[in-house]
Amino acid sequence: GDSVTQMEGPVTLSEEAFLTINCTYTATGYPSLFWYVQYPGEGLQLLLKATKADDKGSNKGFEATYRKETTSFHLEKGSVQVSDSAVYFCALSQYNTNAGKSTFGDGTTLTVKP
Amino acid sequence: DAGVTQSPTHLIKTRGQQVTLRCSPKSGHDTVSWYQQALGQGPQFIFQYYEEEERQRGNFPDRFSGHQFPNYSSELNVNALLLGDSALYLCASSPGRPGGGQYFGPGTRLTVT
Repeated sequence: GDSVTQMEGPVTLSEEAFLTINCTYTATGYPSLFWYVQYPGEGLQLLLKATKADDKGSNKGFEATYRKETTSFHLEKGSVQVSDSAVYFCALSQYNTNAGKSTFGDGTTLTVKP
Repeated sequence: DAGVTQSPTHLIKTRGQQVTLRCSPKSGHDTVSWYQQALGQGPQFIFQYYEEEERQRGNFPDRFSGHQFPNYSSELNVNALLLGDSALYLCASSPGRPGGGQYFGPGTRLTVT
């Protein structure tokens, strides 16, 4: 079945540092890929998405590129802020075969220190 | 535009009891999915409702059941609660078009004692 693997955390960075959170997936067909962010005590918020190979999703300074050849969707940000501290989840969705249900990784906790 | 809303926010139940959680989807969304998120883990898919029918189900026992109403809102019912059912229950709504992503509610924190 489908699966998503994220780099293990926690990740601790200083403000303005460069962020990379690795995500790889296993899936048949052509899934859509997503990054979600979860702040403490809250539900998940869609951060960005890509629906086909070589697409780049971007939002709030974060970006990720759908790489089918390496089955990856790594999240990057050039300069993190304290307010970016949260848990980040990589996910895939196979709309045509699985009616849109999402498969999530286990999450990566990011802490940004001033 | 209200997003996805869930009620209640927190709930404490005793082992063996039954619980009902509620969800109202984002305006314009007709599909509702339910997820269970244990502490420190990613959400696990329970089931999805579309046009008042269960369209797909994850690996959860029959103790977990649901319903979708004509206004697209949904309920998740869990019978014979176990300690292991303690988790954050997330509702997500999505539009009918493919690849749109899901919009999540804040969740209901269920504690079973």
